[in-house]
Amino acid sequence: KQEVTQIPAALSVPEGENLVLNCSFTDSAIYNLQWFRQDPGKGLTSLLLIQSSQREQTSGRLNASLDKSSGRSTLYIAASQPGDSATYLCAVRPPYNTDKLIFGTGTRLQVFP
Amino acid sequence: EAQVTQNPRYLITVTGKKLTVTCSQNMNHEYMSWYRQDPGLGLRQIYYSMNVEVTDKGDVPEGYKVSRKEKRNFPLILESPSPNQTSLYFCASNRGMGQPQHFGDGTRLSIL
Repeated sequence: KQEVTQIPAALSVPEGENLVLNCSFTDSAIYNLQWFRQDPGKGLTSLLLIQSSQREQTSGRLNASLDKSSGRSTLYIAASQPGDSATYLCAVRPPYNTDKLIFGTGTRLQVFP
Repeated sequence: EAQVTQNPRYLITVTGKKLTVTCSQNMNHEYMSWYRQDPGLGLRQIYYSMNVEVTDKGDVPEGYKVSRKEKRNFPLILESPSPNQTSLYFCASNRGMGQPQHFGDGTRLSIL
């Protein structure tokens, strides 16, 4: 059974730091992996989606990498800002024909001025 | 504006009183899903639908029903709510297999 883990559960950093959020999954057979951001009282916003054949995706200050064989993905945030404060979730999609996403429990990030 | 709309956003009700949470998307997406989010457990899928009149169970379907009579709507029905269904619920949609999911803002249900 696929399990997704995110460490650390919480992270507090000063503004301007580059930081890395980690996501690991137990079964390397995935269709793709998606990173989301969740703000308090809000739904999830999709940040980046990496297909199983890709190694990384970039959007602005965000870069996500995928190492399927080792069951790991990282989300790199460059030059962090207070507006980046949120909970970051990763989710994997199994390779079979289903619309399932299996989520990690998230990393709660606080960037202070 | 492309969006997934859930109603109500908040609801406090009592055990056994049937309720429906509506979900509507305006992006003409084929796929729709319901999730619940609980502290320490993360998001877990309740039901999903890959097309009109096609629905399937997710990881935690017990106590819930869904229907997909038209593409844009995917209501979640709790026939006889119980306190263990107190949770934050999210509806999501996506264009197809492997496409990014778009989420609604959530519905916080409290069952007393």
